[in-house]
Amino acid sequence: NAGVTQTPKFRILKIGQSMTLQCTQDMNHNYMYWYRQDPGMGLKLIYYSVGAGITDKGEVPNGYNVSRSTTEDFPLRLELAAPSQTSVYFCASRTGPGETTQYFGPGTRLLVL
Amino acid sequence: GEDVEQSLFLSVREGDSSVINCTYTDSSSTYLYWYKQEPGAGLQLLTYIFSNMDMKQDQRLTVLLNKKDKHLSLRIADTQTGDSAIYFCAESAFKAAGNKLTFGGGTRVLVKP
Repeated sequence: NAGVTQTPKFRILKIGQSMTLQCTQDMNHNYMYWYRQDPGMGLKLIYYSVGAGITDKGEVPNGYNVSRSTTEDFPLRLELAAPSQTSVYFCASRTGPGETTQYFGPGTRLLVL
Repeated sequence: GEDVEQSLFLSVREGDSSVINCTYTDSSSTYLYWYKQEPGAGLQLLTYIFSNMDMKQDQRLTVLLNKKDKHLSLRIADTQTGDSAIYFCAESAFKAAGNKLTFGGGTRVLVKP
């Protein structure tokens, strides 16, 4: 059982480039989340989804886009990368409302130069 | 909006007890969580407590909740070197869209032999 997987593990981007961070879960979870963790800080919610075709903004959505065409996948798109987007990105999922456990992926470390 | 605060750093001797504290502002918080993050890794759920409980014990971990003061603590008994990590407090409200988690900034725990 793979749980929540994220690719790539590490990426260096130049300012203005674009990329997609991939997230897949094999637990048939309805709820999925994208967080960013800046050095020495806690996690901030970027976007979340409560099911296929449904997405909503979190605390820090600017500069990002998401889509949820399937239950399993929740990719995060960065358009026009900026140094402020240098961070570690975590994807997470849970079954649904009331489910206490949110499962986290291993993270993608992104450096924008 | 919701806010979760933690102290930044805790140093403890191996074999002693550690106490990590957290305060939160959202009075509608339903679940409160403790996550552990080891260097370069994702977040691991340690334990959680439902808001109508005062205490929860799980092996070496004891969670205390003072709902009146909106104060949460995690006590680790017989602290080991493997307990060195960053510990995040988080809260969620059942009513919150997507059952979003709000994280504190993390407490870095250093266990000295």
